[in-house]
Amino acid sequence: QVQLVESGGGVVQPGMSLRLSCAASGFSISSHAMYWVRQAPDKGLEWVAVMSHIETNNYYAESVKGRFTISSDNSKNTLHLQMDSLRVDDTAVYYCVRGSRDWYFDLWGQGSLVTVSS
Amino acid sequence: DIQMTQSPSTLSASIGDRVTITCRASQSVSDSLVWYQQKPGKAPNLLIYRASSLKSGVPSRFTGSRSETEFTLTISSLEPDDFVTYYCQQYRFYPWTFGQGTKVEFK
Repeated sequence: QVQLVESGGGVVQPGMSLRLSCAASGFSISSHAMYWVRQAPDKGLEWVAVMSHIETNNYYAESVKGRFTISSDNSKNTLHLQMDSLRVDDTAVYYCVRGSRDWYFDLWGQGSLVTVSS
Repeated sequence: DIQMTQSPSTLSASIGDRVTITCRASQSVSDSLVWYQQKPGKAPNLLIYRASSLKSGVPSRFTGSRSETEFTLTISSLEPDDFVTYYCQQYRFYPWTFGQGTKVEFK
């Protein structure tokens, strides 16, 4: 079955770190661009980070640049998002997303809730 | 960054109505636009890609169109399951950007 399953969310205090994981099945993440997209409570969607399958550079939204790092373990077919120096406004559901050949988002995970609160 | 201006933010309608949601890009994104449907507590679900291509399995009452930088999602006859939130998104340029969303509610 083709799917993405996120894990690692939880409640943390401002300034702390958290690592999200996304286990892929039914396809190889090394053959696709892979993204993280987030959605704050009752808000819209915001692209966070991308790992390209055709170049070595990764890209980040300005709001997380220098604090978040996207990476992958291809042997485990798993994508990660390391989130450091978390802020209250990072509170959101984080979705792991697969890119199609045309770069749009064609497969979404169920999401993982990250709450940053003191 | 490309700004995607989606309207209306809320749309009141009845079952069987024909409704249209609009998304305007701040500059040309060619036909690199998708539409998602999002149900409460769930991940977005792709409906339309490349502005007007219907994803396999999506009902034909959903159609997408483009006129230069203006994109529309039309639902020809609303069904009960359609009263949820819709988002557009451009994928022509980094950073990928979304519209603000349109909530379709019961009149």
